[in-house]
This record gives sequence, C-alpha cells and structure tokens, in this order.
Amino acid sequence: GAGVSQSPSNKVTEKGKDVELRCDPISGHTALYWYRQSLGQGLEFLIYFQGNSAPDKSGLPSDRFSAERTGGSVSTLTIQRTQQEDSAVYLCASSLVPSGGARDTQYFGPGTRLTVL
Amino acid sequence: AQTVTQSQPEMSVQEAETVTLSCTYDTSESDYYLFWYKQPPSRQMILVIRQEAYKQQNATENRFSVNFQKAAKSFSLKISDSQLGDAAMYFCAYRSSSLTGGGADGLTFGKGTHLIIQP
Repeated sequence: GAGVSQSPSNKVTEKGKDVELRCDPISGHTALYWYRQSLGQGLEFLIYFQGNSAPDKSGLPSDRFSAERTGGSVSTLTIQRTQQEDSAVYLCASSLVPSGGARDTQYFGPGTRLTVL
Repeated sequence: AQTVTQSQPEMSVQEAETVTLSCTYDTSESDYYLFWYKQPPSRQMILVIRQEAYKQQNATENRFSVNFQKAAKSFSLKISDSQLGDAAMYFCAYRSSSLTGGGADGLTFGKGTHLIIQP
C-alpha cells in the first residue's frame, strides 16, 4: 500500500508567520510520530500520537509548536510565529502499533523542508 | 536519558567491498530495540535492520548484518558486497521497549555516518 506522505515537500516562509505541516500515515497505523532534523541538533523526537491522543508533549521545542491528529489518521504540526531556528526538515513516521515486535517498526515519510527567512 | 553515538562522520568503501559502521549507546534499561536506518538524498528514512536486545542472535538482512554486543553497548552494521545504491547517510537508533508515557516510543538517533561508495 501507500507509504507515509507529507505535505508540502518544501515550505519557505517569513519570520513571524505561522505554518502548518501535514502528515498522512500508512492506512491502519495507530501510532504516529513527528521528528525534526537539523544540522545543529541532528534528529530529534518531537511528539507521539496513539490514536488521536498525545500522552506527552514535552518534546516539542517551545510553546509555539503544537500538533494534533484527527480521526486517528492525518496529523498536522503547527508552528506559530516562526523563527529562523525553526528551519529544518520535519519528518513524520507511523507504525502499526506503538509497541509489539515487528509491528512497531516506524516507517518514515519524505519530510517537509522548512526554511524561515 | 539514552544516548547514541556514531563516531564516524564519513566512511568510504570500494564497490563490492565490505564496510562496517560503528554505533555505541548508553542506557540503563535491559530491554530495548536497536535500528539502523538509511537516508538517501531523497530524505526518506528507510529501515535497514532491527535488533531486539533480548535476542542474542545477531540480525541479518541479505547483505546487511549487525554485531550486537550488549555488555559493551555496541551495535555495528556490516555491509557486504557494497553497491552504489548503498551510498547514503546511515543512522543508528535506539528505542525503549517500555510504554511509560510520551517519549518512550520515540527513537533516539545518532548523528549519522555518511557512506560513500567508490566505483
């Protein structure tokens, strides 16, 4: 079936603007993850959803970041009042279940490259 | 908190030769999972191989195999018969096996090793 998809592929925005990044997980996958990949910080785990619920949002870099997931499927990561340090590739992944042998393998999307000018 | 260290920022190997990428990790947990992911220029992270810590047998996937040394907290990846398509960034990753709330299911990644295949 189709893999994880993300949109847009690339986003250029001006400092101070809000952006929304979208992730469509693999159909039937209950767990969804957001990561950020930047030159300075490497790959950072941001947040995890089980169904529509995110048990812990402490991985989000600041209160300008928020994420939601609706219908147990699509997720959006919103960054308000973007700053230059938010420039990075934002990766989404999904897994069939959060934990349980091979079924918890995370499959990644191609990412959204965000550039804040 | 767990940490993953990849000490080789870049490695180069001749096509058809064998190369080993190093990874060490630090954890106080006894049960966990380890992964190697490949990221080509397309940015998409692709799972290469997975190892459960409770399994003593090293995982293998075709030309890819690991040397898992639990006591030494070492998890190296060996690529045999290297091919041009193997050129990519390789990331070692750790995941706790326990569902103790947010963060437990997120992967902790190393900084990556850039693998170059010389034709």
